Amino acid sequence: EDKVVQSPLSLVVHEGDTVTLNCSYEVTNFRSLLWYKQEKKAPTFLFMLTSSGIEKKSGRLSSILDKKELFSILNITATQTGDSAVYLCAVDSTSGTYKYIFGTGTRLKVLA
Amino acid sequence: SQTIHQWPATLVQPVGSPLSLECTVEGTSNPNLYWYRQAAGRGLQLLFYSVGIGQISSEVPQNLSASRPQDRQFILSSKKLLLSDSGFYLCAWSVGQGFRSPLHFGNGTRLTVT
Repeated sequence: EDKVVQSPLSLVVHEGDTVTLNCSYEVTNFRSLLWYKQEKKAPTFLFMLTSSGIEKKSGRLSSILDKKELFSILNITATQTGDSAVYLCAVDSTSGTYKYIFGTGTRLKVLA
Repeated sequence: SQTIHQWPATLVQPVGSPLSLECTVEGTSNPNLYWYRQAAGRGLQLLFYSVGIGQISSEVPQNLSASRPQDRQFILSSKKLLLSDSGFYLCAWSVGQGFRSPLHFGNGTRLTVT
């Protein structure tokens, strides 16, 4: 059965800290891995990763994929209170006919 | 640019009442459409997806149903709600078949069944 596991489940840090969120997966016919940020309502798209070892970067956020070890990490440097959210990881598998399999998310709280 | 509209934002319904949630997408043709449910503290569970008008695939057996009467309209329904149907319902879209875009979500409907 395809699955996506995120860790840690929750995390509390102080402003300025650097955090690393983990996402591991077991799927057949992997196609891409996606990261989302969810605050109150809709998850907003952060990154799509398809190739190993190529870092995607947007401001203080970056992410990388390891297709051999079947995981991805999302790094946030110099955290701010506005980074407080649930971060979701999802995997797109060709075997799943249009399915995106989501992990349960990591809840990040950044204290001022 | 593409936008997705989902309504209502919140809904409180008694057990046994019907349900209809609607979602429309603008700015794209022939999108793949999805309904997800997110229970408190849990991940997103795929309920239905559709790759075209009238084409609905169900992922989880339940008392919910979905319909796609128009290319960019997706409706989630129930004839009789259960307490367990409470949750946060999200509509989403993507495009492409060989290579799909990321999912883009509506703002969600928070449903409370009392």
